[in-house]
Amino acid sequence: EAGVAQSPRYKIIEKRQSVAFWCNPISGHATLYWYQQILGQGPKLLIQFQNNGVVDDSQLPKDRFSAERLKGVDSTLKIQPAKLEDSAVYLCASSLYSTGELFFGEGSRLTVL
Amino acid sequence: TQLLEQSPQFLSIQEGENLTVYCNSSSVFSSLQWYRQEPGEGPVLLVTVVTGGEVKKLKRLTFQFGDARKDSSLHITAAQPGDTGLYLCAGGSYGGSQGNLIFGKGTKLSVKP
Repeated sequence: EAGVAQSPRYKIIEKRQSVAFWCNPISGHATLYWYQQILGQGPKLLIQFQNNGVVDDSQLPKDRFSAERLKGVDSTLKIQPAKLEDSAVYLCASSLYSTGELFFGEGSRLTVL
Repeated sequence: TQLLEQSPQFLSIQEGENLTVYCNSSSVFSSLQWYRQEPGEGPVLLVTVVTGGEVKKLKRLTFQFGDARKDSSLHITAAQPGDTGLYLCAGGSYGGSQGNLIFGKGTKLSVKP
């Protein structure tokens, strides 16, 4: 079974530029999550989708971050404009249902200069 | 705000030694999960404990959920170099979905041969 796919693996941008990350969850998984993991900290939930609807985006900085889940499958997370403090690993995870085990992708490492 | 404190932050031991990692909070959690994360990878679920006082064993790893559901421990017997990684605990909130987890900052374990 293929795991959660994320791209790009690494991205370096300057502050005020924009960036987008892509996630393809495990086939059939209805729930998709985006987490932010800053160096030295644990992951923090940014947004949770159930199929193509948003379940929880209370910790998403909506003035600069946006996310969508196309047709309830793939998802993109966008940051515009980026700030220095956005430097982190962005992890995508999926689960079969909202209370199921989470499977994480390898993450996308963002460096903002 | 719910917080999970993990200790120690760093642990470097020799192969064959035993160790215990702690995860503490002033908040009550509906469940407690332990993950292991290796460099450049996403976290991988090791175990979920849901009942106060519950003890689960996974080969050389023993997980315990505190009676009051506010703390947990992970004990590794006869550590091996393959156990090296970042160990994260994550608490689930009552009424929240599985993915809406509060993560600790992690314990970085290094097992030297």
